Amino acid sequence: DAGVTQSPTHLIKTRGQQVTLRCSPISGHKSVSWYQQVLGQGPQFIFQYYEKEERGRGNFPDRFSARQFPNYSSELNVNALLLGDSALYLCASSLGPLTNTGELFFGEGSRLTVL
Amino acid sequence: QQQVKQSPQSLIVQKGGISIINCAYENTAFDYFPWYQQFPGKGPALLIAIRPDVSEKKEGRFTISFNKSAKQFSLHIMDSQPGDSATYFCAARGAGNMLTFGGGTRLMVKP
Repeated sequence: DAGVTQSPTHLIKTRGQQVTLRCSPISGHKSVSWYQQVLGQGPQFIFQYYEKEERGRGNFPDRFSARQFPNYSSELNVNALLLGDSALYLCASSLGPLTNTGELFFGEGSRLTVL
Repeated sequence: QQQVKQSPQSLIVQKGGISIINCAYENTAFDYFPWYQQFPGKGPALLIAIRPDVSEKKEGRFTISFNKSAKQFSLHIMDSQPGDSATYFCAARGAGNMLTFGGGTRLMVKP
């Protein structure tokens, strides 16, 4: 069984540019969450999506947006990149959005470097 | 309210020793407490988890101890091995299956 897959694995952007990160959840999982992990810190929650609807949003600016597609894959978009956006962006999937719908399984992440 | 505090930040243990990592939380609405293991360049992988109605859970060499009244929980790694060298994160699950992570503990097990 394939786990959570993310692309690209690494990318370099310059300040002010825009980036799109992609995630495919584990087969059968309908909920996707995005986390940002700055080097040396724990992951921080950005978004959760279920059935194409946003179910939760963390404390991130409006430059961050996401969406989920009918096949449950998801994209995270970040506009007007800042140096501080440099981080590992993790996608996690679960069966559903509720606390009784199973553990979160993480992908290996997309490493974004903003120069 | 949403913070999870983890200590120590780094830990060095001799092979065969016991590694102990501690976490504390404030939000009593948290209902599930997983531990994740992360190797460099990889995403976090679920190691072991506990619910607050259980005081201890053991899986192989890994044990979680949970103290609900103190709002603290800890991970014990028995017979620590060099392959256990990684960063460990405690987390707590709140509403909507969202995890709040601790700051991480970098564990090094010396041969």
